[in-house]
Amino acid sequence: NAGVTQTPKFQVLKTGQSMTLQCAQDMNHNSMYWYRQDPGMGLRLIYYSASEGTTDKGEVPNGYNVSRLNKREFSLRLESAAPSQTSVYFCASSGEALYRENTEAFFGQGTRLTVV
Amino acid sequence: AQSVTQLGSHVSVSEGALVLLRCNYSSSVPPYLFWYVQYPNQGLQLLLKYTSAATLVKGINGFEAEFKKSETSFHLTKPSAHMSDAAEYFCAVTFNQGGKLIFGQGTELSVKP
Repeated sequence: NAGVTQTPKFQVLKTGQSMTLQCAQDMNHNSMYWYRQDPGMGLRLIYYSASEGTTDKGEVPNGYNVSRLNKREFSLRLESAAPSQTSVYFCASSGEALYRENTEAFFGQGTRLTVV
Repeated sequence: AQSVTQLGSHVSVSEGALVLLRCNYSSSVPPYLFWYVQYPNQGLQLLLKYTSAATLVKGINGFEAEFKKSETSFHLTKPSAHMSDAAEYFCAVTFNQGGKLIFGQGTELSVKP
């Protein structure tokens, strides 16, 4: 039972380089999320996908793009990395109705990205 | 705007003491509230959630939280802290079906022997 799988776990980029963070879930969830975690700022939502084929901006979308490739996969792309994007990135997924008793958001283990 | 705020970025307690982590929300519609825990270098794990079924919610590891609409609060408590409770705790909120999950800033809990 893999849950939410993120790759890679660690990455170092030079300023201006591009990369894609991959996320896949095997729980048949409709909703998927990308967050970044920075000290003292908690988790901030970058992008959100309520279902296959739809995406929506979160609190901090600038500098990022996403693709909901299919129901399982939701990728995050940095087109031109900047030092301000140094962070830990988490992917999550959830069932259709988070307000229901038996649903919750499940998180991947995170990707630690450093931009130098 | 709808949001959630955690009071205190760092809380330190002695082993065996009461744990109280504070969370307040701001919303014009009924909120659905969550507490997550993050151990070092790991992802987040759900502790408990409020879905309007009961105002006092019991979670894993002896934690519980009470939803108080009049105070717009959802504070997390545990009667007796263990060393293994040292972690970062996040309060989160969503507001409707398919809604976004928004997190607070987090509170780091330290437990002293």
